[in-house]
Amino acid sequence: DQQVKQNSPSLSVQEGRISILNCDYTNSMFDYFLWYKKYPAEGPTFLISISSIKDKNEDGRFTVFLNKSAKHLSLHIVPSQPGDSAVYFCAASAGTSNTGKLIFGQGTTLQVKP
Amino acid sequence: GAGVSQTPSNKVTEKGKYVELRCDPISGHTALYWYRQSLGQGPEFLIYFQGTGAADDSGLPNDRFFAVRPEGSVSTLKIQRTERGDSAVYLCASSPSHGHYTGKGRELFFGEGSRLTVL
Repeated sequence: DQQVKQNSPSLSVQEGRISILNCDYTNSMFDYFLWYKKYPAEGPTFLISISSIKDKNEDGRFTVFLNKSAKHLSLHIVPSQPGDSAVYFCAASAGTSNTGKLIFGQGTTLQVKP
Repeated sequence: GAGVSQTPSNKVTEKGKYVELRCDPISGHTALYWYRQSLGQGPEFLIYFQGTGAADDSGLPNDRFFAVRPEGSVSTLKIQRTERGDSAVYLCASSPSHGHYTGKGRELFFGEGSRLTVL
């Protein structure tokens, strides 16, 4: 069963506009959520994270929102830039003893057009 | 090096052969993880080391897969009697410690991966 789901395989936005990437999860034991970005032929790189005790975390152009009741999180990128074009993975972990054991979604490919 | 280093970057082998994939973590990182990413999927957890011992190997798909980290630094993922379904990118990641909190969060530092193709 897929505990973390990214239902949109791809997203295309215009430079300067907002990109919104969505992620749903099923396991109520998840207490930490992360977003990773991956360029071709590179490993995933950490982007931003949020603890389940918060509903929003912001870092520059990137904001992650968490809706625990809906088991849904989203990543907002404002303004989007062509260099943001990559595959974005949502990931989750459960408990302080499992913090490096991440459950990843399938990924969403973001294309930002100049 | 500054980052996680994985070798080989690409490995093509025949069905039934034995394969070793190597990971050199960031210096000083005690926690090391192996993940596998199949085409069109996100990375999938395989095994985690804290120091020399495998703390959690629940993600290894079967007993053909084995990993070691004898001196608490470099790790080797070993796959016996490879099958076509083993074809994937094998990612290694490290962190200063398990449950490490940086200024940003519980981040793992990934290598570029070893792409395994089993013919």
